[in-house]
Amino acid sequence: EPEVTQTPSHQVTQMGQEVILRCVPISNHLYFYWYRQILGQKVEFLVSFYNNEISEKSEIFDDQFSVERPDGSNFTLKIRSTKLEDSAMYFCATLDRAGYGYTFGSGTRLTVV
Amino acid sequence: KNEVEQSPQNLTAQEGEFITINCSYSVGISALHWLQQHPGGGIVSLFMLSSGKKKHGRLIATINIQEKHSSLHITASHPRDSAVYICAVRFPFGAGNNRKLIWGLGTSLAVNP
Repeated sequence: EPEVTQTPSHQVTQMGQEVILRCVPISNHLYFYWYRQILGQKVEFLVSFYNNEISEKSEIFDDQFSVERPDGSNFTLKIRSTKLEDSAMYFCATLDRAGYGYTFGSGTRLTVV
Repeated sequence: KNEVEQSPQNLTAQEGEFITINCSYSVGISALHWLQQHPGGGIVSLFMLSSGKKKHGRLIATINIQEKHSSLHITASHPRDSAVYICAVRFPFGAGNNRKLIWGLGTSLAVNP
């Protein structure tokens, strides 16, 4: 069964550093998403990506965040200058062509110290 | 603003018990998803519902659109069912909405042998 692959599984970074979280989505899916889950809180939508551009973003997704699909396969989330409050589990997800089935990556646990 | 509420937040059961987890939401949706989050954090999609009832093995999911309520049932529960079960909803597709999910907080289920 096709999978969404995320790397790294864990990342520890110093406050103020840039991090890039990587996802390899399912290739024939059309919508790609980033979600995050702060420990003990609900999963929150960050951004959706369709046809090689951002289609929707949340209030959380400010100028410190960016997404791109640089080579047609990887889908990356960049945080330019990390803050302590960026510590969370970040999930990549894709939506199938029928528009109903989501597949999630196993997540990247980001710890900002 | 659509809120998704789940109950109970925590649930402990004995192996073999019938389990019910509830989800309610505040505005009209196009679909409701039940997902399972394992202790390591990975998320798996269990069901997508827009009406009625679906069954997969020992899991049954129902939705009442008029009452804005859904339930997830587990029959003959087993310790391997121990996980967090999350309800998430999707708005009707339209301008500015790109099939993102709005998530509940989850129900943490522990099934004891």
